[in-house]
Amino acid sequence: AQKITQTQPGMFVQEKEAVTLDCTYDTSDPSYGLFWYKQPSSGEMIFLIYQGSYDQQNATEGRYSLNFQKARKSANLVISASQLGDSAMYFCAMREGPGRGSTLGRLYFGRGTQLTVWP
Amino acid sequence: DGGITQSPKYLFRKEGQNVTLSCEQNLNHDAMYWYRQDPGQGLRLIYYSQIVNDFQKGDIAEGYSVSREKKESFPLTVTSAQKNPTAFYLCASSKLIAASTDTQYFGPGTRLTVL
Repeated sequence: AQKITQTQPGMFVQEKEAVTLDCTYDTSDPSYGLFWYKQPSSGEMIFLIYQGSYDQQNATEGRYSLNFQKARKSANLVISASQLGDSAMYFCAMREGPGRGSTLGRLYFGRGTQLTVWP
Repeated sequence: DGGITQSPKYLFRKEGQNVTLSCEQNLNHDAMYWYRQDPGQGLRLIYYSQIVNDFQKGDIAEGYSVSREKKESFPLTVTSAQKNPTAFYLCASSKLIAASTDTQYFGPGTRLTVL
């Protein structure tokens, strides 16, 4: 089964508008972390935001916020006030909790959502 | 500046040749990872290493080999046994703290094309 599902292959948003990129995850581990990365056309993966499974509040980093709904196993990325430079591929990823021996540290990635911001 | 470097940025290989992709980090991270990305796909884990002289296979290790002789370096060799090596390869590193907060940081990638 897929550990991370991103159901939107592509999204379009007008500059200065907000946009939500969907991510659902699957794990039976009570301790996990959720990450969002941005990949511009240059290819480098840029870390944006992190949410821990025990965090009481939704994570925020500047214009990025994470809408974390634990019961629904969703961790949607919200970008407020979109800019042209936000056009990129966005990946959701999950790391399961500590104490997992040889799998410690590995991330599971979704297939990504291509965001296009238009003027 | 601290970061992860990968070289070369573009690499062309003839069929039947082995090639080695370089990955170096000066973040003093314990763990390093290699991922493969194909068009329209997410990242798939090839190999990872949590400590010098030790590494583990990921989901798609066949046709690849790695070494970890120094903490800073984790080169990936794409062997002739890899049937479809044309892809974008990303290297990452992390502190490997025993918590779900451990964040991976990525290098700029190497685009490998088999001619």
